[in-house]
Amino acid sequence: AQSVAQPEDQVNVAEGNPLTVKCTYSVSGNPYLFWYVQYPNRGLQFLLKYITGDNLVKGSYGFEAEFNKSQTSFHLKKPSALVSDSALYFCAVRSYSNYQLIWGAGTKLIIKP
Amino acid sequence: KAGVTQTPRYLIKTRGQQVTLSCSPISGHRSVSWYQQTPGQGLQFLFEYFSETQRNKGNFPGRFSGRQFSNSRSEMNVSTLELGDSALYLCASSLDGQGGPDTQYFGPGTRLTVL
Repeated sequence: AQSVAQPEDQVNVAEGNPLTVKCTYSVSGNPYLFWYVQYPNRGLQFLLKYITGDNLVKGSYGFEAEFNKSQTSFHLKKPSALVSDSALYFCAVRSYSNYQLIWGAGTKLIIKP
Repeated sequence: KAGVTQTPRYLIKTRGQQVTLSCSPISGHRSVSWYQQTPGQGLQFLFEYFSETQRNKGNFPGRFSGRQFSNSRSEMNVSTLELGDSALYLCASSLDGQGGPDTQYFGPGTRLTVL
């Protein structure tokens, strides 16, 4: 069965420090992986996705994610965190043969000044 | 291009009533998916429509229904509202929903409160 795990409910980072939000997945076949961000009382905004090719994917707002096939992970990263990055982050996966996106539970990212 | 729009943004209903939520996808997008988001359950898939047909369905009771019109706009309906239906309802559109790398784009959501 397909699944996504975001092992941390919350991540706390000081402003200016690098941040990582973790995501691991289980899917049959080649995965398509997505990251979304949600600000309070808003819908989800697409950040980036991995399709194929370069394992390092760059997205919006300075975020990037690294696909690691052997560890079945797709961690979201940013070199220098901003207070405005504080939000809820969701990882999602889909296999080529399945229409439905499978979502992680979300990780709350808190950036402290 | 205009993004996904949802109306209304906020709704307050009482138990037993019914409600209809509306979603207009991005122009050219033919797939519309609906999600329920609650603090305890996270993001849960309700159903997906493509070319006016329901193509996928999540594990929700029959009180939750939807439809899609020829212009790809979609509505979802919840009948006989229960307190537990209080949630943020999100609509997402994508080009064709054919799986793979097709990206879903979300609207701002409708916040439903059931009293």
